Amino acid sequence: QVQLQESGPGLVKPPETLSLTCTVSGDSIGPYYWSWIRQSPGKGLEWIGYISYRGITNYNPSLKSRVTMSVDTSKNQFSLNLNFVTAADTAVYYCARGADDIPMDVWGKGITVSVSS
Amino acid sequence: QSALTQPASVSGSPGQSITISCTGSNSDIGAYNYVSWYQHHPGKAPKVMIYDVSDRPSGISDRFSGSKSGNTASLTISGLQAEDEAHYYCSSYASGSTLVFGGGTKLTVL
Repeated sequence: QVQLQESGPGLVKPPETLSLTCTVSGDSIGPYYWSWIRQSPGKGLEWIGYISYRGITNYNPSLKSRVTMSVDTSKNQFSLNLNFVTAADTAVYYCARGADDIPMDVWGKGITVSVSS
Repeated sequence: QSALTQPASVSGSPGQSITISCTGSNSDIGAYNYVSWYQHHPGKAPKVMIYDVSDRPSGISDRFSGSKSGNTASLTISGLQAEDEAHYYCSSYASGSTLVFGGGTKLTVL
């Protein structure tokens, strides 16, 4: 049974970089696509982007200038970096298996990240 | 403001059927058959209930069904059960190779 676990700091200061890692257990990270999604307080879900096991990326245009994703197949992990964060980036961040045209069939439980000085 | 529009809340009694709508545009729902529906119980991982408009993943009850007409997709849950009470989100592939979500609908089982 595939499981995903998000990890990273729960508090980030503006305008620093938010860095999160998702660890995949129970299956190999290949040959799948992996996404990050977030949910700001009181709002709906927002897709941040995906990375493939080969490192192919596709980011939400609204966040593209600040997002970088990477994958480490040796550790079965993929990561998210979001630069120049503001309070508007406060959210629960989820990692999931899937992409823009591939349903997300496995999700992590999410990690709460607050942006505050 | 979310790209896809869902009602904020719906409710129904056990055994009844409910339908949640998800309205988009001809750049997302109207153009592609990549609509998914997710069930989310607070504090838990979201779960895909429907994908590609009307397909059910293995293990999902046939009480859950999906459809699409024009720019609007719908999720119908028949034979409501207490365990169905959750938030439901729709998503759609959109032009420009992106993914958009709805704002979510809270389902209350009375």
